[in-house]
Amino acid sequence: EAGVAQSPRYKIIEKRQSVAFWCNPISGHATLYWYQQILGQGPKLLIQFQNNGVVDDSQLPKDRFSAERLKGVDSTLKIQPAKLEDSAVYLCASSQDRGPLYGYTFGSGTRLTVV
Amino acid sequence: DAKTTQPPSMDCAEGRAANLPCNHSTISGNEYVYWYRQIHSQGPQYIIHGLKNNETNEMASLIITEDRKSSTLILPHATLRDTAVYYCILSYNFNKFYFGSGTKLNVKP
Repeated sequence: EAGVAQSPRYKIIEKRQSVAFWCNPISGHATLYWYQQILGQGPKLLIQFQNNGVVDDSQLPKDRFSAERLKGVDSTLKIQPAKLEDSAVYLCASSQDRGPLYGYTFGSGTRLTVV
Repeated sequence: DAKTTQPPSMDCAEGRAANLPCNHSTISGNEYVYWYRQIHSQGPQYIIHGLKNNETNEMASLIITEDRKSSTLILPHATLRDTAVYYCILSYNFNKFYFGSGTKLNVKP
């Protein structure tokens, strides 16, 4: 079974620029999550999709962050404009439904550096 | 929000058992205890989970106290590749996972 694919692996941008991250979940996984992990901290949930609908985006900074999951498969997370404090690893995870017994499968993440 | 407490770091000698504690005194009856680990530059990886009974799989054992207010993850024979950050997470209805800061396990030769 192929894992969760994320791209790019690394990204460096200047503050106030925009950036987008892409995630391809495991085939058949209905639920998709985006997490932000700042250096030295645990991952923080940003948004949860069930198929192509948003289940929870309460922790997403909506003034600058947006996410979509068209056709219930791939997802993109966008930041516009970026701030220095957005420097982090952005992790995508997927699960078979809203509650598999084996939790999520995570991708390797995209490391964003804002300078 | 994270509802677990873990020591920030622990050391373990290679080949010995690593016992990682987790306190979750406010756990509710329908919350499972999950353990994940994150090796440097990788996404978190599932290890094991349990509700109230002790669990064992090929990676680790999970011991949950009778009152469910704490648990211990046991890696029976730690290797250098087990050096990682270990997260103890509570989740009900297998819904969202809220990560704390975890325990950095250093396995030393």
